[in-house]
Amino acid sequence: SQQGEEDPQALSIQEGENATMNCSYKTSINNLQWYRQNSGRGLVHLILIRSNEREKHSGRLRVTLDTSKKSSSLLITASRAADTASYFCATDSNDYKLSFGAGTTVTVRA
Amino acid sequence: SQTIHQWPATLVQPVGSPLSLECTVEGTSNPNLYWYRQAAGRGLQLLFYSVGIGQISSEVPQNLSASRPQDRQFILSSKKLLLSDSGFYLCAWTQMSGPQETQYFGPGTRLLVL
Repeated sequence: SQQGEEDPQALSIQEGENATMNCSYKTSINNLQWYRQNSGRGLVHLILIRSNEREKHSGRLRVTLDTSKKSSSLLITASRAADTASYFCATDSNDYKLSFGAGTTVTVRA
Repeated sequence: SQTIHQWPATLVQPVGSPLSLECTVEGTSNPNLYWYRQAAGRGLQLLFYSVGIGQISSEVPQNLSASRPQDRQFILSSKKLLLSDSGFYLCAWTQMSGPQETQYFGPGTRLLVL
């Protein structure tokens, strides 16, 4: 079943602007991950944030996690055309599986 | 380093025909292996996962099956394809450990059933 829900479904921004997308989930988690998928390709892992962490950075990516609100956000700063992709959050469920949301499609206009 | 392969990349099959998609992982041992299906513009639906040779867990009842004949080989099959089996099939692996760590995805197979 799908636990993570991304918002918005689609986002269109100008190159150089920041892109923010959110993920909400329902049950308690050990960690939350963000993945990127370029059109017609497999998913690529971006960043993992554990339940005891509140913020994490990786290059131009910033992820926050609020376990009290069961939500996470992914911020891409100074966007580039190459950031055009779909972004998915995924949560674990104390077994061997991840639950993926439906994704946010980001389009960066040149 | 670890790599994951899927083939074929694209497949067009008639309704009622059999299916066999293969996924292999290199550079690691005892991985957890996963098959997902992604409908156009949608998220990932977990179909099967395996924590060891011959161990298959099915998430969604359907006319697909999975097998793991070797440690690093995961096969998705069907005896008779349906139109609804069309989609993008992704294989993934992760290390066998407790809470889920990063999953590494293959390039995917696009299946069109006509």
